[in-house]
Amino acid sequence: EVQLVESGGGLVQPGGSLRLSCEASGFTFSSFEMNWVRQAPGKGLEWVSYIGSSGGTVYYADSLKGRFTISRDNAKNSLYLQMNNLRAEDTAVYYCATSSPMDSDALDNWGQGTMVTVSS
Amino acid sequence: QSVLTQPPSASGTPGQRVTISCSGSTSNIGSHTVNWYQQLPGTAPKLLIYSDDQRPSGVPDRFSGSKSGTSASLAISGLQSEDEADYYCAAWSDSQNVVFGGGTKLTVL
Repeated sequence: EVQLVESGGGLVQPGGSLRLSCEASGFTFSSFEMNWVRQAPGKGLEWVSYIGSSGGTVYYADSLKGRFTISRDNAKNSLYLQMNNLRAEDTAVYYCATSSPMDSDALDNWGQGTMVTVSS
Repeated sequence: QSVLTQPPSASGTPGQRVTISCSGSTSNIGSHTVNWYQQLPGTAPKLLIYSDDQRPSGVPDRFSGSKSGTSASLAISGLQSEDEADYYCAAWSDSQNVVFGGGTKLTVL
């Protein structure tokens, strides 16, 4: 069974940094493309970032303007999101999700999410 | 303001057929496949439809997707109370990112 477990969320002050992790199990992590998607309280889904299976290809939402960095460690079956210079508008639940092997644009397995709150 | 446009709400009675629209542009829906997600209250999203009209294993055939030009639709037939959820469309964009619709809250009356 595919399992994705996010961690690392919490309360951080504006301008601060946070590193989210997503631990994967139940599938060959190194073969799958991965994504981060976020959802602000009471709002819709917003795609954040994508990383290829080897980590060589990454994409980001235009709105992030270089503040976030996605990475992965296939030896540890883990995905990461380094978030710097955090703003109040980054407050959201952050989900990690696999790209479907049938259609890489489709996100077919999701974690339960980790909450990030940016506030002073 | 979301890149893809969905109606904020939809409703129907049990057994009815409901459709949810998703409008985009030539740089997203017009040139890439559309995916649909269902998010039940308090849970993570679930992939409902991929590649415009394909259902992942386990998704009932009451759910169907279609696309024409720069618009897509999700249809739910034989509406059931457990279908009450938020539904999101999404597509890849020529600017190398995934764009989502704002979501449609479906109420089963």
